[in-house]
Amino acid sequence: AQKVTQAQTEISVVEKEDVTLDCVYETRDTTYYLFWYKQPPSGELVFLIRRNSFDEQNEISGRYSWNFQKSTSSFNFTITASQVVDSAVYFCALSKKGNQFYFGTGTSLTVIP
Amino acid sequence: DTAVSQTPKYLVTQMGNDKSIKCEQNLGHDTMYWYKQDSKKFLKIMFSYNNKELIINETVPNRFSPKSPDKAHLNLHINSLELGDSAVYFCASSQGAGVLDTQYFGPGTRLTVL
Repeated sequence: AQKVTQAQTEISVVEKEDVTLDCVYETRDTTYYLFWYKQPPSGELVFLIRRNSFDEQNEISGRYSWNFQKSTSSFNFTITASQVVDSAVYFCALSKKGNQFYFGTGTSLTVIP
Repeated sequence: DTAVSQTPKYLVTQMGNDKSIKCEQNLGHDTMYWYKQDSKKFLKIMFSYNNKELIINETVPNRFSPKSPDKAHLNLHINSLELGDSAVYFCASSQGAGVLDTQYFGPGTRLTVL
């Protein structure tokens, strides 16, 4: 069974628009970590953020922000004032005991100039 | 400096051949991994090595065999290649094998089996 769900397979926005990528996870563990990775067209996987299950404080890094809500098992990612360079596939992932690492199926974001 | 490197970047081969993909990390990490990303972009872990010992072995065909000569290297050998093996293979490493360890990925190796 999938542990991480990214319901949005493809999103297109016009440059400078804000966009939110959804991530819903499933786990019975109380200790776990959530991640976001970016995969640009060049193919490499770039680490963006890691959050632990005990820290629900929202995180902001430049134009990127993350909203972690345990009540809804969600870890959503918002890009403010999107740019063409943000075009990529974004993966949400869950890490739990035994370093089992589960990726979502990814959301392909296209930012149109 | 490249943190996690893989060679080759592209690999095209015939069905039935045996091939290897090499991975090296210079981060001083103890744990290394191999992932397979299929044509639908789905990422799935294949193997994990911690201090040269296998700690995860997801259900993959035994034609795939990871080999770790030291903790900085984790190579992937594939015997009797099949069409379904065509994918992008990513190597990754993390400091430890715990739940809090961030994984850093190599650039990927695109394997095409003809």
